[in-house]
Amino acid sequence: SYELTQPPSVSVSPGQTASITCSGDKLGDKYTSWYQQRPGQSPVLVMYQDTKRPSGIPERFSGSNSGNTATLTISGTQALDEADYYCQAWDSSTEVFGGGTKLTVL
Amino acid sequence: QVQLVESGGVLVKPGGSLRLSCAASGFSFSDYYMSWIRQAPGKGLEWVSYMSPSGRTRSYADSVKGRFTISRDNARNSLFLQMNSLRAEDTAIYYCATRTCSNTNCHPMEYFFDYWGQGTLVTVSS
Repeated sequence: SYELTQPPSVSVSPGQTASITCSGDKLGDKYTSWYQQRPGQSPVLVMYQDTKRPSGIPERFSGSNSGNTATLTISGTQALDEADYYCQAWDSSTEVFGGGTKLTVL
Repeated sequence: QVQLVESGGVLVKPGGSLRLSCAASGFSFSDYYMSWIRQAPGKGLEWVSYMSPSGRTRSYADSVKGRFTISRDNARNSLFLQMNSLRAEDTAIYYCATRTCSNTNCHPMEYFFDYWGQGTLVTVSS
C-alpha cells in the first residue's frame, strides 16, 4: 500500500519560514493536499492540488510538489500557525494521509 | 454555510456494531462525493471510506474492508457508516467530510477534503 512520510516535528521562529515535507514514491506524479489541525479542532484544508489555496487561507501558505516530495511552506510564520499538519494523496482507489507534522512556533 | 454534523458515537464492546450518521446542510449534498475519516486518540488522520454522489462508487481502507459499509440518503442529505465486528483499534473520532474536485471530469487524484464535521467519538472497549 502507498505510504506518505512526514517529519514528526518542525520548529520555527516567529516571522521565519517553515517548510513541512511529505515524501512518497513518485509523489510528484500525484496531487497533494494539506490540512491544518489545531488542538481540539477538526482539520482545515490549507492547500489542494499541490499549489492551490482555498478561499480564506492566507497568502503566506504555499505549496510545491516534485519528484518524491511535496512541501508546504509557511512564510512569515505566526503563533497561530502552530498546529499539526497532514499531507494527503490518492493512490489506487484509496486516500492516504501522512503521519502528520507538529509545527512549533518558538 | 456548509455544515456537517456527525452523530452516533458511543461506547461499544468488541465485536459489536454501530451506525454513524452525518447530517449535511448548506450545499447540494447529492452532487458531492462524501467520505469518512477517523483519528485515534493522540494519533494522525486515517481515511476510512468514500462514496460517489450516486452511490455507485465506494472505496474502503484495507483496515475496515468487509466490516464497515458506507451509504447515503440523498433525499435526507445524510451519510452513514455501518460498523460491524468492531475492534479496540477502531476507537477514534470519526469525521464526515466532503470530497471535492474543483474541475469537471476529475481524475480521482484531483479530489480533496474541503469541509469537515466536528466528529463523533467511537470507543470500543469491554
